Amino acid sequence: DTVMTQTPLSLSVTPGQPASISCKSSRSLVHTDGQTYLYWYLQKPGQPPQLLIYEVSSRFSGVSDRFSGSGSGTDFTLKISRVEAEDVGVYYCMQGIHPLTFGGGTRMEIK
Amino acid sequence: QLQQSGPALVKPSQTLSLTCSISGDSVSNNRAAWIWIRQSPSRGLEWLGRTYYRYKWYNDSSESLNSRITVNPDTSKNQFSLHLNPVTPEDTAVYYCARKTWYGNTWYIDLWGQGIPVTVSS
Repeated sequence: DTVMTQTPLSLSVTPGQPASISCKSSRSLVHTDGQTYLYWYLQKPGQPPQLLIYEVSSRFSGVSDRFSGSGSGTDFTLKISRVEAEDVGVYYCMQGIHPLTFGGGTRMEIK
Repeated sequence: QLQQSGPALVKPSQTLSLTCSISGDSVSNNRAAWIWIRQSPSRGLEWLGRTYYRYKWYNDSSESLNSRITVNPDTSKNQFSLHLNPVTPEDTAVYYCARKTWYGNTWYIDLWGQGIPVTVSS
């Protein structure tokens, strides 16, 4: 199975400042169909994960444009341009080449 | 919407059975797959298995579960289920059902159940 490695494990960000999370996969996530199936989720306490980004850089419906995704191949990044209090939680990357696997998570708190 | 039901406590060596009831969609939707994922401190988020309909039913599951798991649809009740047997304390986790949906030439997991914490203990 594809191993997903996220860094950092945690980060503490001042409101209004940017944040960045890295996700590296053990193999290329470019599928034979040409798509790159890399996703980002945010899990808030007591809730299931909620989709933020799909296919590396496409924002899901209703997701703030403060969130952006980038990367290719095996290296991917989630950026938050200006962190807000509601962004706290654990961020996960997920790869979509069967079987699905997730990163270990990055816990973000507000300073 | 996905509504999960099942026990909170299961004894070792017994069977864990969970159900996910679907509203606003159909388990027979041929542009969806219905999946089970669990989350524990030791294993993180882990894909368990899926069922989906593409003019016939398909089911598969994680090889790491060593054939202990079955995922089945129930079209009469518009739901799908997970059965894990036999369970061990390592199966203690929060279990989620979810929907993987295709939109055009892309897909994503966009709908989750509320999650059920399950403890395996005697």
